[in-house]
Amino acid sequence: DTGVSQDPRHKITKRGQNVTFRCDPISEHNRLYWYRQTLGQGPEFLTYFQNEAQLEKSRLLSDRFSAERPKGSFSTLEIQRTEQGDSAMYLCASSLYLTSGGNEQFFGPGTRLTVL
Amino acid sequence: KQEVTQIPAALSVPEGENLVLNCSFTDSAIYNLQWFRQDPGKGLTSLLLIQSSQREQTSGRLNASLDKSSGRSTLYIAASQPGDSATYLCAVRPVDSGGYQKVTFGTGTKLQVIP
Repeated sequence: DTGVSQDPRHKITKRGQNVTFRCDPISEHNRLYWYRQTLGQGPEFLTYFQNEAQLEKSRLLSDRFSAERPKGSFSTLEIQRTEQGDSAMYLCASSLYLTSGGNEQFFGPGTRLTVL
Repeated sequence: KQEVTQIPAALSVPEGENLVLNCSFTDSAIYNLQWFRQDPGKGLTSLLLIQSSQREQTSGRLNASLDKSSGRSTLYIAASQPGDSATYLCAVRPVDSGGYQKVTFGTGTKLQVIP
């Protein structure tokens, strides 16, 4: 399977614990995005990378959130001192950004986080 | 601030019926619009992407249209099947003006196709 993969698919943690999610994009894609989706809502943008550079961060990304893409391939999203309000589906997407246009995003299956 | 609305929020149709899903956006200065489907508890599957210069895109039984001037896009599904049951989301990306974070998703239309 050459699509976007995410690990783990489900994570249950206690409030105050740290969690880390991993995303492996489609191999030739240079852009990688993180979104958060709560029940009944559309995804909300968190951050994105072009290669290894983090180019944008949403105001939703508090100081407890950090994302990395050290070699321009896979990415990790870490949440420190988790709160119950962090419970959501965390979606990763990738795209091949071309100045000529397009930039269609392909999504992974998501990581569902439950904070008890 | 861009607002994206999808109506209806839920739709139930008998198998074989043709149907139209609607997506409205308030700011017509868009770069592209993308339609996705999402199965329960799963990620998003891209269906169609329409650039701002295009009026429609087709893939199999799906046809998406874009009317920037009226701030509307429609997703037409022909001869619906039970396997089409999912939530359909549209996402609007504005003209690049310094921030990808402005991409806005609608809340989706939950479609049920009854055998």
